Amino acid sequence: ETGVTQTPRHLVMGMTNKKSLKCEQHLGHNAMYWYKQSAKKPLELMFVYSLEERVENNSVPSRFSPECPNSSHLFLHLHTLQPEDSALYLCASSQDWGANTEAFFGQGTRLTVV
Amino acid sequence: GESVGLHLPTLSVQEGDNSIINCAYSNSASDYFIWYKQESGKGPQFIIDIRSNMDKRQGQRVTVLLNKTVKHLSLQIAATQPGDSAVYFCAETLNTGNQFYFGTGTSLTVIP
Repeated sequence: ETGVTQTPRHLVMGMTNKKSLKCEQHLGHNAMYWYKQSAKKPLELMFVYSLEERVENNSVPSRFSPECPNSSHLFLHLHTLQPEDSALYLCASSQDWGANTEAFFGQGTRLTVV
Repeated sequence: GESVGLHLPTLSVQEGDNSIINCAYSNSASDYFIWYKQESGKGPQFIIDIRSNMDKRQGQRVTVLLNKTVKHLSLQIAATQPGDSAVYFCAETLNTGNQFYFGTGTSLTVIP
């Protein structure tokens, strides 16, 4: 138990669906992240939020839309995804952005786009 | 982007032996490094970290060595146990921001 909880754990969606991934951290951290993990590829950073403001957007397609309503919650809204978007989506948090401290990861959401 | 790579994609060791997992990084400005362990169906779990002002750091059964001259990082696991079977990632960050650059991982299999 890392203190970072992601729901759902598994998600299957059609290309025309709209769904959301949820992440919640109970660590009092100020920075939260979305990563994409595909088979045989390094983790890819998608978005970073620091104190509820987006500070990084690594050229992610607009069909992925993050939302950070407060420092404990992070969402990833999905719409009109492609099969190549199937992957494990990991949420992480760290004490602060730029503090060079470890990130704590959730268990991930295994997304399959059909 | 940064290049963080691992020398071997898979590693098999006998239970009780020591394991060494290696990692190369490309940016000499990187100043903070982390090893993560990822078991099947789980997210990455922090193992140990090291800052660039250190050469060695020890934890419980694990040791991380940093060689800044050749930009090389290694993770040593003593008395490897079946529960150590997982994929191990190294990650580096620069001294600005907290963006981690991850390698593709080394899959460690412990043979009973």
